Amino acid sequence: DSGVTQTPKHLITATGQRVTLRCSPRSGDLSVYWYQQSLDQGLQFLIQYYNGEERAKGNILERFSAQQFPDLHSELNLSSLELGDSALYFCASSVAGASGYNEQFFGPGTRLTVL
Amino acid sequence: AQKVTQAQTEISVVEKEDVTLDCVYETRDTTYYLFWYKQPPSGELVFLIRRNSFDEQNEISGRYSWNFQKSTSSFNFTITASQVVDSAVYFCALMNRDDKIIFGKGTRLHILP
Repeated sequence: DSGVTQTPKHLITATGQRVTLRCSPRSGDLSVYWYQQSLDQGLQFLIQYYNGEERAKGNILERFSAQQFPDLHSELNLSSLELGDSALYFCASSVAGASGYNEQFFGPGTRLTVL
Repeated sequence: AQKVTQAQTEISVVEKEDVTLDCVYETRDTTYYLFWYKQPPSGELVFLIRRNSFDEQNEISGRYSWNFQKSTSSFNFTITASQVVDSAVYFCALMNRDDKIIFGKGTRLHILP
């Protein structure tokens, strides 16, 4: 158990809908990262937040957004869902934000199925 | 460009055989970190090893060993005396100073009883 929690574990929804994935980092970790694992793109970095501020962006679609709240939990919002958004979404957390090695601890993932 | 290539998409071996998973990386940075993760059928990512770019020492952990060679930009992973429980998808990954982990496409390993 990495100490990172993600809810829900599974999510099934329809095209065009909007969903919110939630991540609680390990106690004391200030950074949260979101990754998407899809059949087409593999495992890819989406976005990073550090202490409430966006720190880095990867291949995140404009239909997707994220935020990190004062209690450091993070939410990934996916809107206007398409079939291709079906994927496993991982959250990871680390102590700090950049400059040097910061080990990332991965949550168990949320499996999103868009029908 | 930063990239991780796992040329082997899928490998099948019979239990107790040794198997090596290949990983080649590209990066412009001189400071970077390399990882291997295991993803069993249940889906979670299991951290196996981390190596920084200044430490080329090979590592052995039980039946697992890793061979890091900067000269060929490779970080290969060998499982000795494979077991059915080793069946999983294995990801090689690279992280530069920007904290983003770049994953390879993964190698699906089947250990046949």
